Parts: sequence; structure tokens; C-alpha cells
Amino acid sequence: NAGVMQNPRHLVRRRGQEARLRCSPMKGHSHVYWYRQLPEEGLKFMVYLQKENIIDESGMPKERFSAEFPKEGPSILRIQQVVRGDSAAYFCASTPGLRETQYFGPGTRLLVL
Amino acid sequence: KQEVTQIPAALSVPEGENLVLNCSFTDSAIYNLQWFRQDPGKGLTSLLLIQSSQREQTSGRLNASLDKSSGRSTLYIAASQPGDSATYLCAVSSSGNTPLVFGKGTRLSVIA
Repeated sequence: NAGVMQNPRHLVRRRGQEARLRCSPMKGHSHVYWYRQLPEEGLKFMVYLQKENIIDESGMPKERFSAEFPKEGPSILRIQQVVRGDSAAYFCASTPGLRETQYFGPGTRLLVL
Repeated sequence: KQEVTQIPAALSVPEGENLVLNCSFTDSAIYNLQWFRQDPGKGLTSLLLIQSSQREQTSGRLNASLDKSSGRSTLYIAASQPGDSATYLCAVSSSGNTPLVFGKGTRLSVIA
């Protein structure tokens, strides 16, 4: 059973471009969380999704950021018109359901030039 | 709003020493507490998960304790090794389907 997969592992974008981060949960897991880790900071929750539904997006910036978890395929975190402050490591975690341990992916490190 | 604090922010010890990492949280109504290890540029590895009804969990040289009423947890590492060098993160969950709230971590260096 493969672990949580994220791609790309590293992503470089210029200011104003779009960034798309993908997360494939573990097999059988239908719940996905996205977290962001800014330099020298702890991980901060962004959004919690189940298949085709956003359950909690209270940690997501109101503008430029969106997330989806379609019926088929990976979860996508999309950042439009990136700015230098978006440079961070973005982690996703998956669980099979409620009250289960979250398993983390290796992260995507976004660098905005 | 739950806040998690980890002390110290960084720690350097000689190989073989026993050590304790501290984690405190402001809201004692937690569902579980988890300790993770993060190596530079890598993802998170779960070390120990303590349910709110438990007092401690052990795995090899690691022992984590939980005192929910006082809002504290400790991670004890016995006979430290250079391979233990990493950042250790503490995270709490307030209920079964809420996101984890993380501390900023303790950066541990074990010197050979």
C-alpha cells in the first residue's frame, strides 16, 4: 500500500503565475487535509476535503487559493497569481475516515521568484 | 482557539544522553495528541499517538506522556543517537474530524 503521494516535490514559479499541487491519498482514504509550513513556522491547517466536498476551509486564504478533491483523481490545491509570501512547504494528509490517524505526504516545496 | 507551544525551540545534546521534549496546549478538551518527526526537506513521520483517555505510549526508545488536565505532554528519548537529529513536532486534535494544531517544533541535534 503506497503512502500519500504529492507532486511535484519542488515547484518554482514567478510572481503572477499559477501553482497546482497534487495529492494522491493512500488507497482507501477518502479524507484529505492540506497544511502549509512557512519558513521557521509550524504547520498550519488550510482545508479539509472529502470526495467532491469541501468540509472545512477556515484556514484557506480568501483570495487566490482553491482546493478540490474530485470523485476520480488526486486532490488539487491551486494558487493563482502567486506572490513571494506563498513560498512554503505544502503538505497533505489523508485518513480513511473520522477519528483516524492522519498520514502525511512528503510535501511540495513551492518557491516563488 | 487551541494553541500549541513547544519548548525548547532547539536542543543540542551529546550522544547517549536521555532527553525530554515538552509540549503544552491551551485547551485541554483534546481528542488525541501526536508526536511527529520531520527531517530537513522531508515530510512528517508519525512517532506516537496518544488518545485523550491514555496517559502514555511507548515505542522503542521513545515514551510520550499526556497530562490532559494540565495541558502538557512530554516526549522522552532514551540513549539518544546522532540519527535522532531532526525536528520533533507535537500536534493536537480537538475532535475526530478536526484538523491538527501543530507546535513550531523542537530542533534536536545529537552530537557524536
